[in-house]
Amino acid sequence: QITLKESGPTLVKPTQTLTLTCTFSGFSLSTSGVGVGWIRQPPGKALEWLALIYWNDDKRYSPSLKSRLTITKDTSKNQVVLTMTNMDPVDTATYYCAHKAGDYGDYRVDYWGQGTLVTVSS
Amino acid sequence: SYELTQPPSVSVSPGQTARITCSGDALPKQYAYWYQQKPGQAPVLVIYKDSERPSGIPERFSGSSSGTTVTLTISGVQAEDEADYYCQSADSSGTYLWVFGGGTKLTVL
Repeated sequence: QITLKESGPTLVKPTQTLTLTCTFSGFSLSTSGVGVGWIRQPPGKALEWLALIYWNDDKRYSPSLKSRLTITKDTSKNQVVLTMTNMDPVDTATYYCAHKAGDYGDYRVDYWGQGTLVTVSS
Repeated sequence: SYELTQPPSVSVSPGQTARITCSGDALPKQYAYWYQQKPGQAPVLVIYKDSERPSGIPERFSGSSSGTTVTLTISGVQAEDEADYYCQSADSSGTYLWVFGGGTKLTVL
């Protein structure tokens, strides 16, 4: 059974750096085709894709946020870490990590974490 | 940046058919995926690769593609189908950059 869980601060101040950790089980991030992505959702708004890391350490970032994001993986710990710099109140959102199935060109997200609400406020 | 366009809302009566569209220039070249999200919950995949249905998803959910538009069809809508629905795809540049549509609120009257 695949599970993912996000962890990190619930409150950050403007200009600070956010670090979120996704701890997963039920799959290996060294298996060909597998990826872990981050998606966020501001309150009452739409989903927004942030970043994705593949089993082979290939990384993809949202063009609009690329300069602020870094995604890394620790296969031995079954963890993926997302950092976002220079946080702003508009970054207030629920942040989800998710499991990507299939091959490279398959964008299927078949398992999601429960999400963690991050509020940016002074 | 690349965008997927969905209608903000769709309303249907129970038992009727709901159709939710998603438009994007790269959709002829890229698969589309559909997610259902109920309040306070994480999204759930209901359609992948334009028209494939994951195990456990009711048969009343189906997907289709025509040119730059993909459509999620829910036949015989039930009250429990009331939710937000999001399409997902990627740009056509081969860089595998994901994008989500703006979401459609399905209301069951």
